[in-house]
Amino acid sequence: DAKTTQPTSMDCAEGRAANLPCNHSTISGNEYVYWYRQIHSQGPQYIIHGLKNNETNEMASLIITEDRKSSTLILPHATLRDTAVYYCIVSYSSASKIIFGSGTRLSIRP
Amino acid sequence: DAGVIQSPRHEVTEMGQEVTLRCKPISGHDYLFWYRQTMMRGLELLIYFNNNVPIDDSGMPEDRFSAKMPNASFSTLKIQPSEPRDSAVYFCASSPRARGSNSPLHFGNGTRLTVT
Repeated sequence: DAKTTQPTSMDCAEGRAANLPCNHSTISGNEYVYWYRQIHSQGPQYIIHGLKNNETNEMASLIITEDRKSSTLILPHATLRDTAVYYCIVSYSSASKIIFGSGTRLSIRP
Repeated sequence: DAGVIQSPRHEVTEMGQEVTLRCKPISGHDYLFWYRQTMMRGLELLIYFNNNVPIDDSGMPEDRFSAKMPNASFSTLKIQPSEPRDSAVYFCASSPRARGSNSPLHFGNGTRLTVT
């Protein structure tokens, strides 16, 4: 599986948009970009995924660059409950070997 | 949908004892994954199953670790004998479709294992 690079930590003011970047320059043509988050002491939670097009759901938006070498997860109106570690993963499918990196620790400040 | 259910939530045992962790995946999910999480090493994939058959166990640390999936609704991860360095949170996850799909993983709340 391709590897990803994420900043170790970020912070964001409550109510503002949180933009979390991810680099995946060696991504293959049929690999998806997945985002998960892990709130302290809980299991990772799926957020969103995409292949080529930008995606949006009730939790977040995913913006993938045209060359697919990077992506950004956007939490449109961050709340204190969004404080978590966010993982960006590339994989052929969720049923193959999914490897988690170190992720980005996002802190939301009041 | 009760989600992925793991038991026990917490386990404290002494070095040398056998430990068995249990997982009930979401009904209808074809894939089951076992992960281990520590501060030093993060989330590590130990093994995963497809239709109850182990597909990749290259992440299993050593022979003291074994995993089974006797049926579609139950899996165990066993450590025998346990050692203090096995202390970690062990997560089970399941996924609903076969390879080629993009369905996400669904994680349980984990078992926190402490070996003294």
